[in-house]
Amino acid sequence: KAGVTQTPRYLIKTRGQQVTLSCSPISGHRSVSWYQQTPGQGLQFLFEYFSETQRNKGNFPGRFSGRQFSNSRSEMNVSTLELGDSALYLCASSTGTAIYNSPLHFGNGTRLTVT
Amino acid sequence: GNSVTQMEGPVTLSEEAFLTINCTYTATGYPSLFWYVQYPGEGLQLLLKATKADDKGSNKGFEATYRKETTSFHLEKGSVQVSDSAVYFCALSENNFNKFYFGSGTKLNVKP
Repeated sequence: KAGVTQTPRYLIKTRGQQVTLSCSPISGHRSVSWYQQTPGQGLQFLFEYFSETQRNKGNFPGRFSGRQFSNSRSEMNVSTLELGDSALYLCASSTGTAIYNSPLHFGNGTRLTVT
Repeated sequence: GNSVTQMEGPVTLSEEAFLTINCTYTATGYPSLFWYVQYPGEGLQLLLKATKADDKGSNKGFEATYRKETTSFHLEKGSVQVSDSAVYFCALSENNFNKFYFGSGTKLNVKP
């Protein structure tokens, strides 16, 4: 069974630009979550989508947005990039139906560097 | 609110030593508790979980017991190997909410 796939693996962008990250969940998983990982803040929850609807949201500014398609694939968009957005962005999928029976399965992440 | 606190790393041990990584949590409800492991260059992988008080999660020689009275979920292994070198994250999620709170991670280095 294929795991969670994130593309691209690495991105270098300039301040002010926007970026789109992609995530393909494990087949059959309907929930996709996004996390930002930085050395200073650790792993922080961005948002979670389930059946194309945003179900949970973290405390990030509106520049961070996402969506989920009917095939459960998800994209995350960051507009007007700032230097502080440099991070490893992790996508995780789960069945999403019962937390204790559906732990998160993570992709290897997209490393975003903003210069 | 919800939060997870882990012991600071890095933790450096010799092979076959006993490992304990402390984790305590604060939660408003009745969370499920998890340990995830991140090997270099990889995403996080679920190591073990416990869904209610006094449950013990175990996997690959690691174990952790959900202690509600001390709000703790400490990770232990009796004899570590070099291949256990990784970053370990404690996490909680309140049931019915697919939103996880992670600790800051504890890096484990095991020397041969």
